[in-house]
Amino acid sequence: DQQVKQNSPSLSVQEGRISILNCDYTNSMFDYFLWYKKYPAEGPTFLISISSIKDKNEDGRFTVFLNKSAKHLSLHIVPSQPGDSAVYFCAASEGQGGSEKLVFGKGTKLTVNP
Amino acid sequence: NAGVMQNPRHLVRRRGQEARLRCSPMKGHSHVYWYRQLPEEGLKFMVYLQKENIIDESGMPKERFSAEFPKEGPSILRIQQVVRGDSAAYFCASSITNEQFFGPGTRLTVL
Repeated sequence: DQQVKQNSPSLSVQEGRISILNCDYTNSMFDYFLWYKKYPAEGPTFLISISSIKDKNEDGRFTVFLNKSAKHLSLHIVPSQPGDSAVYFCAASEGQGGSEKLVFGKGTKLTVNP
Repeated sequence: NAGVMQNPRHLVRRRGQEARLRCSPMKGHSHVYWYRQLPEEGLKFMVYLQKENIIDESGMPKERFSAEFPKEGPSILRIQQVVRGDSAAYFCASSITNEQFFGPGTRLTVL
């Protein structure tokens, strides 16, 4: 039973364009959402998070949007750079993420072409 | 400021042997989590510990797996009598506030 779903296994974009990664969830108890970036043979690296009381959070080139009614969130990367090529995981928790277990999606592999 | 440390990075065991995976959290972090990633899958929660206490072990298999986080020293994930299906990447994370910071993982291969 997948509570967090990333339906696109892969995404390819041109350098300088926008990358949009999507994530859907089914558990209405989730109230904190995170995005992690992962390179091969490394651990996930925290990217950006959003609490359910917000609908947008921005950090530099990265913006996360949350639509609670649709149980959907997305990560926008603008402009995309070749170094952004990695697997991106969406994760959710029922608490603030620091003291609650995270439920992960299966990931989306982003390739940014020069 | 060192990040989360895990060792060994790679571990090969034969079926029936024991595997011990170690995790040292970031300095000042008192929460430790273990996750497992099977090939082509996302990370799956296994256990959440604070010093000397298991807080949530709802993701741990009922048999052969155990975890501890002693007062002194690293957190240990122990897998007894390993089977081929235990082959995976095991990640440890630590936190103090809202975000969990992950270590590089231990890749366990069971022959």
